This record gives sequence, C-alpha cells and structure tokens, in this order.
Amino acid sequence: GEDVEQSLFLSVREGDSSVINCTYTDSSSTYLYWYKQEPGAGLQLLTYIFSNMDMKQDQRLTVLLNKKDKHLSLRIADTQTGDSAIYFCAEIRESGYALNFGKGTSLLVTP
Amino acid sequence: DTGVSQDPRHKITKRGQNVTFRCDPISEHNRLYWYRQTLGQGPEFLTYFQNEAQLEKSRLLSDRFSAERPKGSFSTLEIQRTEQGDSAMYLCATDRGQETQYFGPGTRLLVL
Repeated sequence: GEDVEQSLFLSVREGDSSVINCTYTDSSSTYLYWYKQEPGAGLQLLTYIFSNMDMKQDQRLTVLLNKKDKHLSLRIADTQTGDSAIYFCAEIRESGYALNFGKGTSLLVTP
Repeated sequence: DTGVSQDPRHKITKRGQNVTFRCDPISEHNRLYWYRQTLGQGPEFLTYFQNEAQLEKSRLLSDRFSAERPKGSFSTLEIQRTEQGDSAMYLCATDRGQETQYFGPGTRLLVL
C-alpha cells in the first residue's frame, strides 16, 4: 500500500521487546490493524485499534497510536522465536471497506 | 485456523490457461473480500461482496478477472488467459459487517 509505510526488517534477541513502527497518511482512517503472516500462510489478525484510542494492550502486545503524527506501533514484550514472522500494518478508511496494507516488517528473533 | 477456507491451496498452470479459485467464508459472515499478494508486498485489494452483490472493484481487477458470489455464501475468482504476472498468492477474507476481517490460508498461483 502506497499510503502505509513500515521498515522492512527487525532483528531482536529472544526475551527482548520488539517494536514495529508504521506510518499512514489517510487522516480519515477509522481502524488500524496489525496482522501476522508466517511463511506460506494466510494472515492472522493480532490486534486492532480504533482511531479515537491512543493505546491498547492485549497480553504481550501493546499498540500505540499517535493520530497527530499518523504513527502506529506494535510492541511485543518478551519476544519468542515463535514470533518470527512478517508483521503487516493496515488501515481501513471511513470511506471504504478495503484494507490498505504496508509492505510488512520481517521480524527475526534469535536465541 | 480462522474458519475461512480456500481451495486449492496451490495451483500451477501454463500461460494462457484459465484458473478458478474458491473461498468458503465463516458461515455468518456476509461480507467477502479478495486480495492479491505478490512476493515482498502486502496484500492488495481486488474486490468486495456484501452478500451476493459485488460492491467494489479495484483497478487491479482487469477484464481477465471475474469474481462471483452467487448465493451469498462461497465465492469464486476466475482468471482467464493467465499471464506470468498473475503469479501471486490470492487471499480471501470475510467479516460480518464489523471491524475485523478474517483471512483464509490463500491460494498460491504459479503461471509458467
């Protein structure tokens, strides 16, 4: 998606926290999402946040939204090797139903 | 497993052949979406159904592509006269009019 940008790679050690960042440009975005994709598989919904919130926590996952800067982040606490995957940020616009995805951040967790 | 199924999971075809993919949604989900994902990219929206009505089509959906959802349940995506550029993962997603789309495992197409 040309309007959603993410860094392409992130490498962390097992047990550390991972922070994956995303910027979007459509100010009408109502919901913002994080999906996880393992090799050869479909997309697994991890979490989402409504645009009137600035934080959401779900077990090891924390989503932060800075609407002024159009910046979204996903923090994974106590990262495990099973967290190695591609993480996609996506927005859904108020004017439509389609998800607009970034190119994905490939997370590598090393022992 | 999200409950959305796709068939086949893999398809290899020769250039110029027609292919058809199927998506079976979660039973109470009335909205169904098709996306295409090429290597190193995020999924890109192709088309969207609410029940049996096709309400939105991306400019990516050329006239060689057609999608149907005849009874508002399963959907098919057909590609006619396939080209090598059609090689991709085709993903189906469904929801029930709320804010979360659930994806199937995808159909990986390789056009030789």
